[in-house]
Amino acid sequence: DAGVIQSPRHEVTEMGQEVTLRCKPISGHDYLFWYRQTMMRGLELLIYFNNNVPIDDSGMPEDRFSAKMPNASFSTLKIQPSEPRDSAVYFCASSKLDRPYKGGYTFGSGTRLTVV
Amino acid sequence: DQQVKQNSPSLSVQEGRISILNCDYTNSMFDYFLWYKKYPAEGPTFLISISSIKDKNEDGRFTVFLNKSAKHLSLHIVPSQPGDSAVYFCAASAKPGNNRKLIWGLGTSLAVNP
Repeated sequence: DAGVIQSPRHEVTEMGQEVTLRCKPISGHDYLFWYRQTMMRGLELLIYFNNNVPIDDSGMPEDRFSAKMPNASFSTLKIQPSEPRDSAVYFCASSKLDRPYKGGYTFGSGTRLTVV
Repeated sequence: DQQVKQNSPSLSVQEGRISILNCDYTNSMFDYFLWYKKYPAEGPTFLISISSIKDKNEDGRFTVFLNKSAKHLSLHIVPSQPGDSAVYFCAASAKPGNNRKLIWGLGTSLAVNP
């Protein structure tokens, strides 16, 4: 099992540009989560999907953020236009229906985004 | 307002001694708690969890204690090893079932010195 795969690992972009982060969850996992980590706010849940359907996007900070999951093996998080305050590490995680409370989520290695 | 608080940003312990990481929460509806460990440049990895119907859960060198009346939980690592040096996150969930939202603390950085 290759685990949760995120790309790119690092992204540096200029303010105003569009940024797309990608995630491939573990095969067979029903849930996919997008998190953002900052020093001040820690880990924040942005959105999560169940069987490719967005369930809760209340953590998405602004309309500039959007997430899609076109199929069970791929999800994207897009920021358009990007701003310096979006600089953070973005994590994707996945889990099976019965896993979160017995084994937790499996996280990817994250994408470090820097907006200059 | 932080519902899950890890008041110690960092902790330093000698190898072989006990490490105790603390976590406080404010929401009495939380009924499941998890600890994650994170190494630099990696995602968090699940360590151990506890349901509110228990007051202790043990897995090898790791034990989590839950004190519901005090809204406090702690992670004990005995004996501590240099490889345990990482950031430890406490997380809580308000209900099982379809709610998969975890509320996270800011983390405690543990350094185990040889």
